[in-house]
Amino acid sequence: NAGVTQTPKFQVLKTGQSMTLQCAQDMNHNSMYWYRQDPGMGLRLIYYSASEGTTDKGEVPNGYNVSRLNKREFSLRLESAAPSQTSVYFCASSERRQRILYNEQFFGPGTRLTVL
Amino acid sequence: DQQVKQNSPSLSVQEGRISILNCDYTNSMFDYFLWYKKYPAEGPTFLISISSIKDKNEDGRFTVFLNKSAKHLSLHIVPSQPGDSAVYFCASIGNQFYFGTGTSLTVIP
Repeated sequence: NAGVTQTPKFQVLKTGQSMTLQCAQDMNHNSMYWYRQDPGMGLRLIYYSASEGTTDKGEVPNGYNVSRLNKREFSLRLESAAPSQTSVYFCASSERRQRILYNEQFFGPGTRLTVL
Repeated sequence: DQQVKQNSPSLSVQEGRISILNCDYTNSMFDYFLWYKKYPAEGPTFLISISSIKDKNEDGRFTVFLNKSAKHLSLHIVPSQPGDSAVYFCASIGNQFYFGTGTSLTVIP
């Protein structure tokens, strides 16, 4: 079991470029999440997908789009990267029982993105 | 507006002593709390959780205490070990997960 995998591990973009961060989980979890981690800010939720076919905005969705491609995969797209999007991005997944959020999340290793 | 706060960015403790990490939250509707541990270049991993119907939950060397009236929770690690050196995040659940800013724990051998 690989758990949650993310690609790429590192990426450098120029302002205005676009890219997609990929995330996949092999735990058959229903719910998946994208976070960003910035110094002094903790982890902030960008988007989440409660189940296949649904996506919802989190705390900081502006400048991002997501696609829940299937149950395993949840991608995050930056259409026009900005320096403010320099961050470490984490994908996570969790099982869904009763209330969606009463479950621990399993995190991927992160993608370190720098936007120049 | 930070809904979950960890006011101590760092903490150093001698090996074998107790580590106490603190977390405050603002929303009295939060009813489930978690602690995560994060090593450099890795994603956070779940450590321990507590529901608001309890005031204490214990798992080996790790104990989480919840004081609902004070909107405060703490993580106790006894005894602390060098391998516990990591960043610890508390999180609480409202309509989504809210994470604190993290406390970097260093356990000195």
